[in-house]
Amino acid sequence: QVQLVQSGAEVKKPGASVKVSCTASGYTFTSYYIHWVRQAPGQRLEWMAIINPGDSSTTNAQRFQGRVTMTRDMSTSTIHMELSSLRSEDTAVYYCVRSSGRTFDFWGQGTLVTVSS
Amino acid sequence: IVMTQTPLSSPVTLGQPASISCRSSQSLVHSDGNTYLSWLQQRPGQPPRLLIYKISNRFSGVPDRFSGSGAGTDFTLKISRVEAEDVGVYYCTQASQFPSTFGQGTRLEIK
Repeated sequence: QVQLVQSGAEVKKPGASVKVSCTASGYTFTSYYIHWVRQAPGQRLEWMAIINPGDSSTTNAQRFQGRVTMTRDMSTSTIHMELSSLRSEDTAVYYCVRSSGRTFDFWGQGTLVTVSS
Repeated sequence: IVMTQTPLSSPVTLGQPASISCRSSQSLVHSDGNTYLSWLQQRPGQPPRLLIYKISNRFSGVPDRFSGSGAGTDFTLKISRVEAEDVGVYYCTQASQFPSTFGQGTRLEIK
């Protein structure tokens, strides 16, 4: 069965960076795009970025340009998402999500990132 | 594209139907002819889960009491008979135009 397992919760200070990982199993890793979507307290879900695990090409939402970096590890079927220059407004649950034909079909369990001084 | 859901909260009696509306600020018909409008369910403490994709297609394992309809800019999720396990927040989302966007969510609760 398809599974996306994310790394654990993080607490970071403003200005720092955080790296969240997403390990895929149950399907061919290179055949489906992976997205990052976040959910801040009281806010709607927000799409951040997409990576094609097949060729590592990426696209970020405009508001995250220059702050989000994604990499893939083919040996472990893992995607890493790094968000830099953290501020308090980045406190949120971060989800990795698989897409199939423009549909978000499987979601990771979420990773809580707390930014606090 | 801005996605607007109504109502924001829906108290429903067990066994009764429920309906959630979603309106997009622009048509969601993609140049390939498909409309990439999905519905997600988020139970308390859980990640979102796909219920319906491309307006009306139930995802694997989704009970048939859930149905989706609509076209263009107006879409509806219906639950024919609400069960206790349906409590949670429901989101519509579009992927027809970059970037994907989400509605603000509708909280379904039992009266």
